[in-house]
Amino acid sequence: RKEVEQDPGPFNVPEGATVAFNCTYSNSASQSFFWYRQDCRKEPKLLMSVYSSGNEDGRFTAQLNRASQYISLLIRDSKLSDSATYLCVVGSNYQLIWGAGTKLIIKP
Amino acid sequence: EPEVTQTPSHQVTQMGQEVILRCVPISNHLYFYWYRQILGQKVEFLVSFYNNEISEKSEIFDDQFSVERPDGSNFTLKIRSTKLEDSAMYFCASTSDGTASSGANVLTFGAGSRLTVL
Repeated sequence: RKEVEQDPGPFNVPEGATVAFNCTYSNSASQSFFWYRQDCRKEPKLLMSVYSSGNEDGRFTAQLNRASQYISLLIRDSKLSDSATYLCVVGSNYQLIWGAGTKLIIKP
Repeated sequence: EPEVTQTPSHQVTQMGQEVILRCVPISNHLYFYWYRQILGQKVEFLVSFYNNEISEKSEIFDDQFSVERPDGSNFTLKIRSTKLEDSAMYFCASTSDGTASSGANVLTFGAGSRLTVL
């Protein structure tokens, strides 16, 4: 089992829709969780950290499920500018383990 | 907003040549990292650097690679004898304090240096 696993997509979603994707991780002792966004050929940029109680930032909601070892990202009212690859990052043993990303395409 | 700057943005080199990629981390940051991303693949950790020495490195970071902080501001990645498979985007990142995995500090990435080995 991969350490951090994501559905590569692409997820093709109409503008205004809600989309959600998950990321599973294998190390139950993982301590920190992040979602990064990466535009094509650009650097990853932090979208949000994921807290145990779940957290929301505008249209974005992140959840952590420790029992099932996954984190999720929900995007409401999607915009064309949300089109990007979303990278799940998990902190374990003083290292950050990166998922391969989920590609999201928002269509007008 | 403070940023991590990297140069060059793109370098094309012949196989076997030495390459130095440069990074200027955010000035009050203490932990520095190099990552690489082969086109279409995931971000891979190469090395972390703290207090003028390597704190961790991955299996990718073999004897062909070295890092240095020569002057207190630049943080460089050297590839001694490039191979075709070294072609990738190389990202430098830094954090202010504590390891990136702790959750207390997040990575700030530079825009990357694209290396093409012919």
